Amino acid sequence: DAGITQSPRYKITETGRQVTLMCHQTWSHSYMFWYRQDLGHGLRLIYYSAAADITDKGEVPDGYVVSRSKTENFPLTLESATRSQTSVYFCASSESNRVAQETQYFGPGTRLLVL
Amino acid sequence: AQRVTQPEKLLSVFKGAPVELKCNYSYSGSPELFWYVQYSRQRLQLLLRHISRESIKGFTADLNKGETSFHLKKPFAQEEDSAMYYCAPKNMTSNTGKLIFGQGTTLQVKP
Repeated sequence: DAGITQSPRYKITETGRQVTLMCHQTWSHSYMFWYRQDLGHGLRLIYYSAAADITDKGEVPDGYVVSRSKTENFPLTLESATRSQTSVYFCASSESNRVAQETQYFGPGTRLLVL
Repeated sequence: AQRVTQPEKLLSVFKGAPVELKCNYSYSGSPELFWYVQYSRQRLQLLLRHISRESIKGFTADLNKGETSFHLKKPFAQEEDSAMYYCAPKNMTSNTGKLIFGQGTTLQVKP
């Protein structure tokens, strides 16, 4: 489990500020994902990446930006935070997209509060 | 549109009772299906995957293509089963590795 970490674990920010959430994995997994977890909505995919320099939108990408210059890192940036982005954010990684080996490994989460 | 529904937000049972967490999906093609679990103060983790036909911690999940359901079952619930459970289909027409998670069901097993 320690192979995927997120920082910070807790963050309070103000509306309009830029915030970056970090995600780092030590397994050299090809696939990485960002989710947000909200009551009543479960887990929703924000962005994902199939490899370094390859990213794509998920279900709820508006207001977020990602990059993946290195395989092990997948930062998520809120360009101008809004209250609706208050949530718990989870990063995950996966070695393969082949079904039999499909396991997403999740980080501990970042609790973000936008005031 | 791809959709997965877990109709119960909260399921409360007594220890030793059978439990069934419902999952219905609406997908084109034949998705593969997974259940993930999040215990208190632990990370979200894979519980079981349909393709492996496995039983994990006494849980099984049967795919019913006719009803497009993938309900998670356990004959005798234990207190340590209390957790949040997510059903997650994977679109087999896509090569992205993406899962779509349901809204989640909180299972509460009372002593």
